[in-house]
Amino acid sequence: ELKVEQNPLFLSMQEGKNYTIYCNYSTTSDRLYWYRQDPGKSLESLFVLLSNGAVKQEGRLMASLDTKARLSTLHITAAVHDLSATYFCAVDLRQGAQKLVFGQGTRLTINP
Amino acid sequence: GAVVSQHPSWVICKSGTSVKIECRSLDFQATTMFWYRQFPKQSLMLMATSNEGSKATYEQGVEKDKFLINHASLTLSTLTVTSAHPEDSSFYICSAELNEQFFGPGTRLTVL
Repeated sequence: ELKVEQNPLFLSMQEGKNYTIYCNYSTTSDRLYWYRQDPGKSLESLFVLLSNGAVKQEGRLMASLDTKARLSTLHITAAVHDLSATYFCAVDLRQGAQKLVFGQGTRLTINP
Repeated sequence: GAVVSQHPSWVICKSGTSVKIECRSLDFQATTMFWYRQFPKQSLMLMATSNEGSKATYEQGVEKDKFLINHASLTLSTLTVTSAHPEDSSFYICSAELNEQFFGPGTRLTVL
């Protein structure tokens, strides 16, 4: 059974600081997604990582994928309050049709 | 592009009644759609994979007779929660596949 584990689950940080969210998974996959969810809302796609070594950046967020280590990271640079949200990683099992298994989510709170 | 809608966005019903939720891909055709359930402060759990013109594939532990899925066209999948009970209250999110999954805005179901 595939397990997707995020660390930390809760993160409270100050504006201007840097931090990293980790996503570990237990089986082979070369497709990983990062999503943002605001309270009461659905998912917003942030990054699609499709190969080992993939690195993508958008604004203050940067995501990377190491398929050999079964690890993805979401790095936040110089955090701002608007980035407060819950962040999910999801691993694609690709058993015929696409099948996403989500991590538990990391609830990020950025304080002024 | 790749917009997915859901209707209704929220619904309140009495215990024992049935509720239908629609998921539409607005600007693309989707052979495959997915239904997820999210309880408060938890992650998304895949309920079933909906395939156009064929039976849905349900995840382990999801009652197919309780959660009826119909995918009659390439742009519409419906989820009917039959004989709803308070424990079915949740946030239901659909997605449609076009190389990656695009998520709808979600439907909040409250069963009294």
